[in-house]
Amino acid sequence: AQSVSQHNHHVILSEAASLELGCNYSYGGTVNLFWYVQYPGQHLQLLLKYFSGDPLVKGIKGFEAEFIKSKFSFNLRKPSVQWSDTAEYFCAASGAGSYQLTFGKGTKLSVIP
Amino acid sequence: EAQVTQNPRYLITVTGKKLTVTCSQNMNHEYMSWYRQDPGLGLRQIYYSMNVEVTDKGDVPEGYKVSRKEKRNFPLILESPSPNQTSLYFCASMGRDSNSPLHFGNGTRLTVT
Repeated sequence: AQSVSQHNHHVILSEAASLELGCNYSYGGTVNLFWYVQYPGQHLQLLLKYFSGDPLVKGIKGFEAEFIKSKFSFNLRKPSVQWSDTAEYFCAASGAGSYQLTFGKGTKLSVIP
Repeated sequence: EAQVTQNPRYLITVTGKKLTVTCSQNMNHEYMSWYRQDPGLGLRQIYYSMNVEVTDKGDVPEGYKVSRKEKRNFPLILESPSPNQTSLYFCASMGRDSNSPLHFGNGTRLTVT
């Protein structure tokens, strides 16, 4: 069965700290990968996506993610977080050509000023 | 402005009283979907629709109905709501290209007492 696992339920960081949120997926075949962000009280917005090509993907607001096929991972990174990055982050995956997204359970990030 | 519009944003109701949450998108998207978001469980798909008159169950369809009579609208119907359906609901849509991201509505917070 297709699944997406996010390792951390809640991460607390101080401003300027580096961030890495783990995401592992279990999918047969070619996979599309996404990171979505949900700011408090808002809907989900796309941060970045990977379909093919360069496994290092850059998204909005200084976020990036690296697709490591051998590890079935798509970890999200940011070198220096800001208070405004406080949000919940969701990793998601779909099979290539499929509309169906499977979401991880989310990681809540709290950034302390 | 391209958007997915859900109504209402907040709804408090009593057990057994039928309700409908509306969802409309103005992007001419073929694919639409309903999710519920619960703490610690992430987003779980309720129903989805690949096009007009084509709907299918997601992961947690029990207690819900949907219809897709027009391309832009995808209402979620709770015929007899129960307290375990208290949740945050999101509608989302996606274009024909399955590589495109999901566009989410602003969410409907439903409380069933």
